[in-house]
Amino acid sequence: DARVTQTPRHKVTEMGQEVTMRCQPILGHNTVFWYRQTMMQGLELLAYFRNRAPLDDSGMPKDRFSAEMPDATLATLKIQPSEPRDSAVYFCASGLVPGETQYFGPGTRLLVL
Amino acid sequence: GESVGLHLPTLSVQEGDNSIINCAYSNSASDYFIWYKQESGKGPQFIIDIRSNMDKRQGQRVTVLLNKTVKHLSLQIAATQPGDSAVYFCAGNQAGTALIFGKGTTLSVSS
Repeated sequence: DARVTQTPRHKVTEMGQEVTMRCQPILGHNTVFWYRQTMMQGLELLAYFRNRAPLDDSGMPKDRFSAEMPDATLATLKIQPSEPRDSAVYFCASGLVPGETQYFGPGTRLLVL
Repeated sequence: GESVGLHLPTLSVQEGDNSIINCAYSNSASDYFIWYKQESGKGPQFIIDIRSNMDKRQGQRVTVLLNKTVKHLSLQIAATQPGDSAVYFCAGNQAGTALIFGKGTTLSVSS
């Protein structure tokens, strides 16, 4: 049963620390998305890649967030330095085409103290 | 800007009833729509999708209706069960690019 995996599932850190979240997309999916979910803002698109190239990262705070795809099986989202307002659930999703079906991972629940 | 939105943030139904969750979109160029179900503590799960060249699509106990004239789509769940309790999101694509998600409707099913 192919699925998107994310690590870690939970992360508690202190303000100012670096946070790295990892995602393994479904094998064969060439489009990878990063979302942030909060009660107030709902599901926000942070960035997405196609064939490992960034297509859009306009939803991401550029000063502290960065997203990369070192290879086709790994996507990373880094926050440095982290702030309490970054506390949220971060989801990775993968698909074949940017504007069509995406399959979500279980999320990383981040708490920045 | 472009948006996809749900009409009601919450919906409460009795077990066995049919549920209807509504969604409106603003971009007439959107040609693909999708519904997701998100249970507590989990990621959104694909339910059903529909392309703009269709008006209706059926799955197992679910039906999606698309009205392009008024830019509206709905998700119908037949014989709603307690396991259907979750947050439901609609999403539409943005001229072939990334999906835009609505805020979500929380469906509560009481037995």
